[in-house]
Formats: sequence, structure tokens, C-alpha cells
Amino acid sequence: DVVLTQTPVSLSVTLGDQASISCRSSQSLEYSDGYTYLEWYLQKPGQSPQLLIYEVSNRFSGVPDRFIGSGSGTDFTLKISRVEPEDLGVYYCFQATHDPLTFGSGTKLEIK
Amino acid sequence: QVTLKESGPGILQPSHTLSLTCSFSGFSLSTYGMGVSWIRQPSGKGLEWLASIWWNGNTYNNPSLKSRLTVSKDTSNNQAFLKVTSVDTADTATYYCAHTRLTTVALDYWGQGVMVTVSS
Repeated sequence: DVVLTQTPVSLSVTLGDQASISCRSSQSLEYSDGYTYLEWYLQKPGQSPQLLIYEVSNRFSGVPDRFIGSGSGTDFTLKISRVEPEDLGVYYCFQATHDPLTFGSGTKLEIK
Repeated sequence: QVTLKESGPGILQPSHTLSLTCSFSGFSLSTYGMGVSWIRQPSGKGLEWLASIWWNGNTYNNPSLKSRLTVSKDTSNNQAFLKVTSVDTADTATYYCAHTRLTTVALDYWGQGVMVTVSS
């Protein structure tokens, strides 16, 4: 199975600052069709996860442009510029390139 | 507008079969490229993908649950189903269903989740 290693495990950020989360894969996530099926989700406290980014860098509908996904192959990053109070929660990366599909273990973002 | 809602027994005994229903609106599981995935989350822990079912009837299961999983759909009634046989306390979790599409494979809309407790 593909293992996604997220770092850091937790992150405390001042409002208005930038946050950066890393997701490293045990295998390349580029599929044979040329696409890379790496996604980012945010689970706010007490809520279901919500899609932020798909195919490494595409923001889902309604997601603010403060959320920026990047990377390729096995190394991926989610940057959140100008962190706002509603950004707190647990961030998960997820790969849909290889079966079985797998999630990273999560990064908890707290506001200082 | 895509919405999904999970329903299930709440509590069940070890060795029994867990049956969950995902009722959805805003899309059809008979439409090319549409799919529904199941994901679970033990309390305070991370997410685990369980299975997916697609418009064409193809299903994909997480082999970590061996042969205990069955996914199916009722296109006429806009429902998808998950069955987990021989449950034990490790299956205690919140279970989510989510919409997915072939073009992105992303889990773009999620249900609110249903909590399932396995206890004698």
C-alpha cells in the first residue's frame, strides 16, 4: 500500500501568517494517464472532511485562493497563506492513484 | 446540488453484519463517470478509505478488510450500500459516504457521517 507521510503532525500559526504542510508518498503518484491524483482535505472540528485541492493543485469550487497545492512525483505541499480562524482543523492528503486508496495521518492546524 | 446522508444501526454486536445506506440527491449513479465511496474514521483517529462503486457497477474494496466488504447500489432509489460482515470492536467508527467522479477521482461531496458502535 502507498504510505503518505504528513509533516508536521501539528502546527500552531498566528492569524495572517502562512502555514505549510508536507505530504510525502512511498511511491510516485503519477498515474499512467499523466495525471497525479493527490488531494487535500480539511476536517473542521465536529464536521465531515471537505475537499480543498484535487490533482495536486486544482482548487475545488468555493475554496479560497489562499490555499495553494503544489508538488509532483512523491513530494507534495499545501500552503495556506494569510491563515484565518476558519482554517483550523485537521488537514489530510489522500492519493487515488494506486489501489488501495490511502490517506495521510493528518496535520492539526491550531491558531495561536 | 449534491447531498448525501448515511444511515445505519447505531450499535450492533460483534460477529454481526453491519449494513449502511447512503441516500443521495443531485446526481445519478447511472450517469457515466459518477461514483460513491465509503470512508470511516474511528473516534479521534484518521480516515480510512473502504470501498468505491461506480456508475457501471464496478467496485473496488480495501483489501485490509479482506473479503468482509460488499458495496452495491440501487440506482432507481438513489442509494448506495455498504455491508461489513463479522464486525468486531475495531469496526467502531463514524462511516461516511462521499460522491466522486471519474474525471477527478476526488471525494468532492461528503455526507454528515453515521456513528457505528460494535459492542456486546
